[in-house]
Amino acid sequence: EIVLTQSPGTLSLSPGERATLSCRASQSVGSSSLAWYQQKPGQAPRLLIYGASSRATGIPDRFSGSGSGTDFTLTISRLEPEDFAVYYCQQYGSSRTFGQGTKVEIK
Amino acid sequence: EVQLVESGGGLVQPGGSLRLSCAASGFTVSSNYMSWVRQAPGKGLEWVSVIYSGGSTYYADSVKGRFTLSRDNSKNTLFLQMNSLRAEDTALYYCARHLMISSSWFFLFDYWGQGTLVTVSS
Repeated sequence: EIVLTQSPGTLSLSPGERATLSCRASQSVGSSSLAWYQQKPGQAPRLLIYGASSRATGIPDRFSGSGSGTDFTLTISRLEPEDFAVYYCQQYGSSRTFGQGTKVEIK
Repeated sequence: EVQLVESGGGLVQPGGSLRLSCAASGFTVSSNYMSWVRQAPGKGLEWVSVIYSGGSTYYADSVKGRFTLSRDNSKNTLFLQMNSLRAEDTALYYCARHLMISSSWFFLFDYWGQGTLVTVSS
């Protein structure tokens, strides 16, 4: 089973700042089969990115994904108030596993 | 508009059973890949089970032999029968639709319900 490790656990930033979230896989994720989700308190997860770098329908372009192999990154170029949430990565290339999440909180 | 509405959660004793439902609207369940994903309180996400459009079902090792996923095409609804429940099954259970791109299915989820809470405790 591929284990995904997200870092940092918590990111404290101010609105307008850039957020960089990391997701590292224990082995190579085939075909860049890596997705990112956003989850706000009391809400279901929302798909942001798939295929490591493709934005899902309706996702603002301040969200971008990059990476391949074992190292992936989600970047939020300028944080909006509604972006403070927990972010999960998920690999779907071999079986399917989720990372433990990164919380982006207001500094 | 795509909507998924889960129901059937509640408090159950260890060893007991529950049947979760997921009513879909805005699309046809039987033409899609559908999964259940759960989230223990304050924890991350765990995939539980999938049903493919052809009807095949698969389960996480943690629930294999205890959970059964089915669907009622006439009601456009998914069901998750959960037997021999354990404390570690306590979680918010989401049903979710798989993403399809250019007629190819992917094991990630573009629509989620709001979840139904299952608590296993004596």
